[in-house]
Amino acid sequence: AQSVAQPEDQVNVAEGNPLTVKCTYSVSGNPYLFWYVQYPNRGLQFLLKYITGDNLVKGSYGFEAEFNKSQTSFHLKKPSALVSDSALYFCAVRDIPNRDDKIIFGKGTRLHILP
Amino acid sequence: SQTIHQWPATLVQPVGSPLSLECTVEGTSNPNLYWYRQAAGRGLQLLFYSVGIGQISSEVPQNLSASRPQDRQFILSSKKLLLSDSGFYLCAWSPGTSTDTQYFGPGTRLTVL
Repeated sequence: AQSVAQPEDQVNVAEGNPLTVKCTYSVSGNPYLFWYVQYPNRGLQFLLKYITGDNLVKGSYGFEAEFNKSQTSFHLKKPSALVSDSALYFCAVRDIPNRDDKIIFGKGTRLHILP
Repeated sequence: SQTIHQWPATLVQPVGSPLSLECTVEGTSNPNLYWYRQAAGRGLQLLFYSVGIGQISSEVPQNLSASRPQDRQFILSSKKLLLSDSGFYLCAWSPGTSTDTQYFGPGTRLTVL
C-alpha cells in the first residue's frame, strides 16, 4: 500500500533564506507525487506534481521539488523564503493508475517564515 | 475554466441534528469527486469518493453518508450529528485519470455543540 511521510511537524526559516520541506514516500509501482499548500481556513491549493521526466519540478510561487527515486523522497524547496510562504504544506502520493484511485496525503508540515 | 463551490462556508449545529453539505463543480464533466475531513488543522481523512453518478465509495465507516445526484454535485449528509463530526470539510474534484491533480474547494467549517 502507498504511504507518505512528512517527518517535520514544523519548520522555521528566516525570511530570505532557502527553505526545504521534507517528504518521503512508499509505493509498489511508480509514484505520482504532489505538493499542496493550505492557508488558514482555506482549501488546499495545488503547487506542483511529478509524474515522469525531469527530476526537478517547478511549480507555483517559486517553489520546486526534487524527485529522488533512490531515497524515495520528494522534498519541496524554495531559494528565498517570503513571510507570505507561511502556511501548512502537504505532500501526497498515488501509485495505482485506476480511474477510482486515490491520493494519500501526508500529515502536513507547518512552515513559519520569520521576518 | 473549472471552479468548485462548497456551501455553507461555516455551520454550527447541535448534537443529534441532521447535516447536509453541498459541493458543485463547474466547467467540466464526469469528474471524480471526493469528500475529506480535516481535524485540528492537520491531516486529511478521505471520507468518500465518487467516479460517477450514484457511484459512492466509503473509506471510513461512520455516521456520515454521501450522494451524487447529478454529475457535478456531491452531497455529504448525516441523520444525527456527533460532537466528533466537528471539523473542516473539504470537497475536491479531479478529471479522472491517474496522473491528474485533485483540486479543492474552499471548505466548510462545521462545529457541533
